[in-house]
Amino acid sequence: KQEVTQIPAALSVPEGENLVLNCSFTDSAIYNLQWFRQDPGKGLTSLLLIQSSQREQTSGRLNASLDKSSGRSTLYIAASQPGDSATYLCAAVSGGYNKLIFGAGTRLAVHP
Amino acid sequence: DTAVSQTPKYLVTQMGNDKSIKCEQNLGHDTMYWYKQDSKKFLKIMFSYNNKELIINETVPNRFSPKSPDKAHLNLHINSLELGDSAVYFCASSQEELGGKQFFGPGTRLTVL
Repeated sequence: KQEVTQIPAALSVPEGENLVLNCSFTDSAIYNLQWFRQDPGKGLTSLLLIQSSQREQTSGRLNASLDKSSGRSTLYIAASQPGDSATYLCAAVSGGYNKLIFGAGTRLAVHP
Repeated sequence: DTAVSQTPKYLVTQMGNDKSIKCEQNLGHDTMYWYKQDSKKFLKIMFSYNNKELIINETVPNRFSPKSPDKAHLNLHINSLELGDSAVYFCASSQEELGGKQFFGPGTRLTVL
């Protein structure tokens, strides 16, 4: 049974810092892994999707990597801004169908 | 244009009532989903439909019944609401049945009193 864990649960950093959010999964037979952002009281916004055959994906200041053998993915945020403050969720698809298994999220606060 | 929309956004009701949440997507996707986010913010899948056919049915009380009248709509009907049903319910859609990026709606916050 796939389980997804995110560390740390919360993170507070000053503006401008580069930071790394961690995601680990127990079953390496994943189909893909998706990173989302959730703002308070809002829905989920898809940030990056990494297929199992890929090692990383980049979008602007965001870079996500995937290491299936170690069961890990990281989300790197460069030059953080207060607008990056949100909860970041990773979710893995494994087994049949497109069932996303979510981690509990990392709550990020970037202060000016 | 809203890609995945849900109605209502907020729903407050008494225990024992029956309620429905509606979801519509205008992305032309074949697969739709319902997820539940509990008070601890943990998201779990409930159901998935592909071309109006149920393909994922997690361990959910049978008081919850999804209905897909067509590919663009997936509604969630809940009978005999209980306090523990209070949560935020998210609808999502994807193009592929497996591997497609999922796009989420804004959520429906259900409060059962």
